[in-house]
Amino acid sequence: GDSVTQMEGPVTLSEEACLTINCTYTATGYPSLFWYVQYPGEGLQLLLKATKADDKGSNKGFEATYRKETTSFHLEKGSVQVSDSAVYFCALSGLGNSGGSNYKLTFGKGTLLTVNP
Amino acid sequence: DAGVIQSPRHEVTEMGQEVTLRCKPISGHNSLFWYRQTMMRGLELLIYFNNNVPIDDSGMPEDRFSAKMPNASFSTLKIQPSEPRDSAVYFCASRLAGGPPDSHFGPGTRLTVL
Repeated sequence: GDSVTQMEGPVTLSEEACLTINCTYTATGYPSLFWYVQYPGEGLQLLLKATKADDKGSNKGFEATYRKETTSFHLEKGSVQVSDSAVYFCALSGLGNSGGSNYKLTFGKGTLLTVNP
Repeated sequence: DAGVIQSPRHEVTEMGQEVTLRCKPISGHNSLFWYRQTMMRGLELLIYFNNNVPIDDSGMPEDRFSAKMPNASFSTLKIQPSEPRDSAVYFCASRLAGGPPDSHFGPGTRLTVL
């Protein structure tokens, strides 16, 4: 079945440092890929997405590129801020003629990011 | 748009009591999902409705859990009787089937069963 593996945290960075959170997936067909962010005490918010190979999703300075050859969707940001402190979830939604479940999200376990001033 | 609305935001109850969690999806969305989040298991899909009909309830842990969607704007997740191991954050999410694959999440209900 579908699965998502993301790097385990926690990740602690200083403000303005570079961030990379690795994410790889296993799925049949052509899934859509997502990064969701969860701030303390809140629900999940969609951060960015990519729906086909080589697409780059971007939002709030974060980027991730859909790499089908490596089945990866790594999250990157060139300069993090204290306000970026949150839990980040990589997820996929199956699509296409895979015959899989194209309606639900399969999540990674989340990566806690703490950015210190 | 108010987004997905869940109530209550926090619930503390004693083992054996009935718990009902409520969700109002985004207007116009016809797919609704209930997820559970725990430290041990992460985010798990419990049940999925499409056009108010339960499509996949394979994630519902056991018969103590039930979910309904009587109309397009309301869903409930009920646990009866509740147990301490049900303590978790329960999220409701909605999306437009056939539209963008994004799911919009509510703020969650933090359930504590003593």
